[in-house]
Amino acid sequence: DAGVTQSPTHLIKTRGQHVTLRCSPISGHKSVSWYQQVLGQGPQFIFQYYEKEERGRGNFPDRFSARQFPNYSSELNVNALLLGDSALYLCASSFSSGNTGELFFGEGSRLTVL
Amino acid sequence: GNSVTQMEGPVTLSEEAFLTINCTYTATGYPSLFWYVQYPGEGLQLLLKATKADDKGSNKGFEATYRKETTSFHLEKGSVQVSDSAVYFCALLYSSASKIIFGSGTRLSIRP
Repeated sequence: DAGVTQSPTHLIKTRGQHVTLRCSPISGHKSVSWYQQVLGQGPQFIFQYYEKEERGRGNFPDRFSARQFPNYSSELNVNALLLGDSALYLCASSFSSGNTGELFFGEGSRLTVL
Repeated sequence: GNSVTQMEGPVTLSEEAFLTINCTYTATGYPSLFWYVQYPGEGLQLLLKATKADDKGSNKGFEATYRKETTSFHLEKGSVQVSDSAVYFCALLYSSASKIIFGSGTRLSIRP
């Protein structure tokens, strides 16, 4: 069975640019969460979506946005990139909206901002 | 605020050694507690969990006990293997919240 898939796996952008990261959850999973993992730190929560609705948002600026599609896949968008946005962006899926903490993570998209 | 503090790494042990990775948390109420593991080149995986005080989570020879009195959830394994080399994250979740709060991770390396 396919796990959580993310694309692209690596990308390099320059300051001020925009980036879109994509995530496909495990088949049957309806909830998608996004986390940012800066090198040497633990993942930080950005968003959770369930049934196309935002269910939670972390302490990130409005430059960060996301959406979920009818097939439950999701996109994370970051505008006006800053050097500090360089990180591994993780997508995680779960079956229900009720968060039991049992998330299934993808391998991440590593973003480098120059 | 709510937070998780875990011992800094890297931790290097010989095969078959006993492992402890310390984790303490700060939170109001009764969060659920987790250990996630990130093997090289792979995504984060849930290793074990405990949802209430005195619960013991276990998996793959790893154990952790939810200690409310010491606000701790230390990870232990009696005999580590080279394949246990990974980064381990302690984490907590409130039932009413949608986010998991992770510690900063502890890198574990096991020598053959």
